[in-house]
Amino acid sequence: GQQLNQSPQSMFIQEGEDVSMNCTSSSIFNTWLWYKQDPGEGPVLLIALYKAGELTSNGRLTAQFGITRKDSFLNISASIPSDVGIYFCAGRADRGSTLGRLYFGRGTQLTVWP
Amino acid sequence: EAQVTQNPRYLITVTGKKLTVTCSQNMNHEYMSWYRQDPGLGLRQIYYSMNVEVTDKGDVPEGYKVSRKEKRNFPLILESPSPNQTSLYFCASRHPGEKLFFGSGTQLSVL
Repeated sequence: GQQLNQSPQSMFIQEGEDVSMNCTSSSIFNTWLWYKQDPGEGPVLLIALYKAGELTSNGRLTAQFGITRKDSFLNISASIPSDVGIYFCAGRADRGSTLGRLYFGRGTQLTVWP
Repeated sequence: EAQVTQNPRYLITVTGKKLTVTCSQNMNHEYMSWYRQDPGLGLRQIYYSMNVEVTDKGDVPEGYKVSRKEKRNFPLILESPSPNQTSLYFCASRHPGEKLFFGSGTQLSVL
């Protein structure tokens, strides 16, 4: 299947710091999504991006759809303890044989120290 | 409340004993899918279904079966579970092109 490279794999930061993570793919995607998974729960959608170059915010979270359509970035500003969790990027091609399928990165485990 | 419901939440079984994990959604979604989550490997798709009676293999289908006889249900079947199928499983659903809703997960341990 498609390979999504998400980095970093884990982050340990202090409350109040900003966080950046990114995701790259070997092929072009037409949709990029960012999910967060709280401990013991399923992933929940944070931000959806549908257009190359798009920059979208959701509170302290900002995500960008890369110009090449092969990458995406998520930034969290002024982190707080409840930001703890696993963040996943996901991409969808919506064309050809991969129609409808969503491919996930391996996740970024975020730990926030008070 | 719109949701994807998986059962059971936790399951411990032994090698070779057939089991089924149920998944039901109340949002009339056409698309449903099963993923497994393993440390360091993220979410890997097992099977997906674009609509009733239409199912396709994902990236890791070996050892699993699914069926989609009704729109709302998409059970995951392990005919002969093995220890390497110990994992956290998620069912998910969506309308075409829209966001994916996940269930709360099923933690499976195969001894």
